[in-house]
Amino acid sequence: SSELTQDPAVSVALGQTVRITCQGDSLRSYYATWYQQKPGQAPILVIYAKDNRPSGIPDRFSGSSSGNTASLTITGAQAEDEADYYCYSRDSSGDHMVFGGGTKLTVL
Amino acid sequence: QVQLQQWGAGLLKPSETLSLTCAVYGGSFSGYYWSWIRQPPGKGLEWIGEINHSGRTNYNLSLKSRVTMSLDTSKNQFSLKLTSVTAADTAVYYCARGIRGVVIIHYYYYMDVWGRGTTVTVSS
Repeated sequence: SSELTQDPAVSVALGQTVRITCQGDSLRSYYATWYQQKPGQAPILVIYAKDNRPSGIPDRFSGSSSGNTASLTITGAQAEDEADYYCYSRDSSGDHMVFGGGTKLTVL
Repeated sequence: QVQLQQWGAGLLKPSETLSLTCAVYGGSFSGYYWSWIRQPPGKGLEWIGEINHSGRTNYNLSLKSRVTMSLDTSKNQFSLKLTSVTAADTAVYYCARGIRGVVIIHYYYYMDVWGRGTTVTVSS
């Protein structure tokens, strides 16, 4: 099991808002990064340093953090947002990196 | 625009050594953490480790005894070796460029550029 805990699956109706969460003790000290991965493709960076979006990532993606929980919010989910989402940060020792187990997002 | 191109053997027998190389094109080699990540079929991402431009390494503890990362700054390349592979090492292996920084009191780490992945199968 990962030191960063994610819900295995989440669903959202087209156009609605969804929040994907990542929990872990290390998140009190280290910001989470979020990746989107579609089948057969390499992961794509969507959020870094808590709430920063790389160029080319739609502004419907946003990040936040509170206590031991980081969140990725998609406001107005689109069909193309259906994918696996992974959080990434330091482990609880602070010495190594770790991914969350991933959340499969289904857009209904 | 920075690109990572990776290559290596895709089919190994148990007990052999996995060897992958990743070349960095279009960007500086220094100041970054050059990382390896893998993904077994149907499973999540696993961080293998990283090496910085000075050659300092940091490995996943579960793989540390079998992993070696190195770099060749003259060629802008970095490499991964994983010894004594088993079927459990079957995965897509990715190389990536890592960045880290700090905002007030919180540190952040992310990988912004990824290779396309190399499928490695371990089978007798």
